[in-house]
Amino acid sequence: NAGVMQNPRHLVRRRGQEARLRCSPMKGHSHVYWYRQLPEEGLKFMVYLQKENIIDESGMPKERFSAEFPKEGPSILRIQQVVRGDSAAYFCASSQSLESMNTEAFFGQGTRLTVV
Amino acid sequence: AQKITQTQPGMFVQEKEAVTLDCTYDTSDPSYGLFWYKQPSSGEMIFLIYQGSYDQQNATEGRYSLNFQKARKSANLVISASQLGDSAMYFCAMRLLTDSWGKLQFGAGTQVVVTP
Repeated sequence: NAGVMQNPRHLVRRRGQEARLRCSPMKGHSHVYWYRQLPEEGLKFMVYLQKENIIDESGMPKERFSAEFPKEGPSILRIQQVVRGDSAAYFCASSQSLESMNTEAFFGQGTRLTVV
Repeated sequence: AQKITQTQPGMFVQEKEAVTLDCTYDTSDPSYGLFWYKQPSSGEMIFLIYQGSYDQQNATEGRYSLNFQKARKSANLVISASQLGDSAMYFCAMRLLTDSWGKLQFGAGTQVVVTP
């Protein structure tokens, strides 16, 4: 049973380009969470999605960032017109359903985005 | 607003010794869970241990134990008999029952270096 798969592991984009980060949840998981980790900081929650629905996007920047989790295929975090400040590690976590409080979140290995 | 504070940016510990990583949290919610994650240099997030706000006993998982002092709002991680492989960043995180399940709030982390 493969874990949470994120790709690419490393992504380099020039300022103004678009970045697309993909997350395939664990098999059977229908809930996906995206986090961002800026250098020297902890992870910050961005968005929570279920299949075809955004449930909580309270951590998403208002502009240039969007996320989706289609019925088929991976969840996508899209960053348009990237700027240097978007350089960070982006992590995805997944769960099967609304787990009990003590259930750990299964994280992917992250995508390291570098904007040059 | 909720907040997680890790005051130690970095620590050196000698192999086979114990180390305590500090974590304090701030919330007015009565129901919450506290987590510790390890992030080695390879970048993945590894779950270590969980403590629920209503748990009467301190959590233990192998060489990891959580010193939970609810009145002081602290949840320090103790690693006993440190090993070279314990060198990593360690993050304390909190989940509120009232929040989306996967919405963890992370501290800034503590870098641990285990020396021979």
